Amino acid sequence: AQSVTQLDSQVPVFEEAPVELRCNYSSSVSVYLFWYVQYPNQGLQLLLKYLSGSTLVKGINGFEAEFNKSQTSFHLRKPSVHISDTAEYFCAVSDRGGGYNKLIFGAGTRLAVHP
Amino acid sequence: NAGVTQTPKFQVLKTGQSMTLQCAQDMNHEYMSWYRQDPGMGLRLIHYSVGAGITDQGEVPNGYNVSRSTTEDFPLRLLSAAPSQTSVYFCASAFSADNPDTQYFGPGTRLTVL
Repeated sequence: AQSVTQLDSQVPVFEEAPVELRCNYSSSVSVYLFWYVQYPNQGLQLLLKYLSGSTLVKGINGFEAEFNKSQTSFHLRKPSVHISDTAEYFCAVSDRGGGYNKLIFGAGTRLAVHP
Repeated sequence: NAGVTQTPKFQVLKTGQSMTLQCAQDMNHEYMSWYRQDPGMGLRLIHYSVGAGITDQGEVPNGYNVSRSTTEDFPLRLLSAAPSQTSVYFCASAFSADNPDTQYFGPGTRLTVL
């Protein structure tokens, strides 16, 4: 079965600084990867996804992620963060064990953007 | 479209009580799922459904039942609530059960079991 490790539980950063949130997954023949964001007291919404093709994936709100098969990583980056990016970010991998598509989530990284 | 809706938003139960968390989607999605979110553990899959009449267990199914009599609705039942079931519960849906796909999440139900 697939698994996901988010290497940082909390990331504090100043406004307008760059940020990287790290995610590693267990290896598989084919893998589909997602980043979701959860703003306070809300459900999750999709930031971006990698299904195939270009390893650099661009998402909403200026975020991007790079799929690195050799390092089994899918790190999320943003060149300049805003206060409004304060949220919890979840990396997820699609697991087709048992024949149906299921999402396996990491534990989450809490991004705190300070003025 | 309302998307994925969940009721109630908050609930407090006593140990041993039963209740049903409601989930509905109006996007004609094939796939629906229930997750629980606990601090430091991310989201864990409880049960999922790939269509009306078809359900299966996820990672943490014990203590929960589901059914899917229609495409739109996927209720989660707690038969005898325990304090370990204190959590935030999210329902999600996706267009396809066969292919990796974006899941759309509801706003969540915060459940406390005393």
